[in-house]
Amino acid sequence: NAGVTQTPKFQVLKTGQSMTLQCAQDMNHEYMSWYRQDPGMGLRLIHYSVGAGITDQGEVPNGYNVSRSTTEDFPLRLLSAAPSQTSVYFCASSSPHALNTGELFFGEGSRLTVL
Amino acid sequence: GENVEQHPSTLSVQEGDSAVIKCTYSDSASNYFPWYKQELGKRPQLIIDIRSNVGEKKDQRIAVTLNKTAKHFSLHITETQPEDSAVYFCAASKGGGFKTIFGAGTRLFVKA
Repeated sequence: NAGVTQTPKFQVLKTGQSMTLQCAQDMNHEYMSWYRQDPGMGLRLIHYSVGAGITDQGEVPNGYNVSRSTTEDFPLRLLSAAPSQTSVYFCASSSPHALNTGELFFGEGSRLTVL
Repeated sequence: GENVEQHPSTLSVQEGDSAVIKCTYSDSASNYFPWYKQELGKRPQLIIDIRSNVGEKKDQRIAVTLNKTAKHFSLHITETQPEDSAVYFCAASKGGGFKTIFGAGTRLFVKA
């Protein structure tokens, strides 16, 4: 089991560029989510999905799009990057049927810099 | 929506002392309260959790308490060691990891 895999690990963008952060999990988890981590602000929920075809907004969704066409994949799209989106992004998954219901399994993170 | 507040933001203790981190939550429907530890440059990892039908849970040197009436929960680390130095996050959700909301984090320094 690879767990939760995020790519890329590092990315530098110019203002206005678009990009997609990839997230894949091989644990057959129903629930997937994206967080951003900024100094002093903890982990803030961007978007989440409770299953294929179902997504919803979290605390800070503006400027980001997501889709969930399969159980395994949950990409995060930045349509027009802004310097305020400079952050570390974490993808996480969990399952209500897992041994420890509620535990989030995180990817290694993607550090994004927008110039 | 849920709001989780965490204090203190920074905590410095001597090796062997105890450390306590406190959190409050706003949504009375939340029933699952995990704590995650994040070492520098790494991903957050679960260290202990508590569900709303339990008041206290212990795992070796760490313990968590929950006061549902006051909407408070706390992390207690005893006999701290330098390897306990990290950022700790409390969180709250309605179960299944669904819409887990995190506190802002506490940076713990354990001085040898």
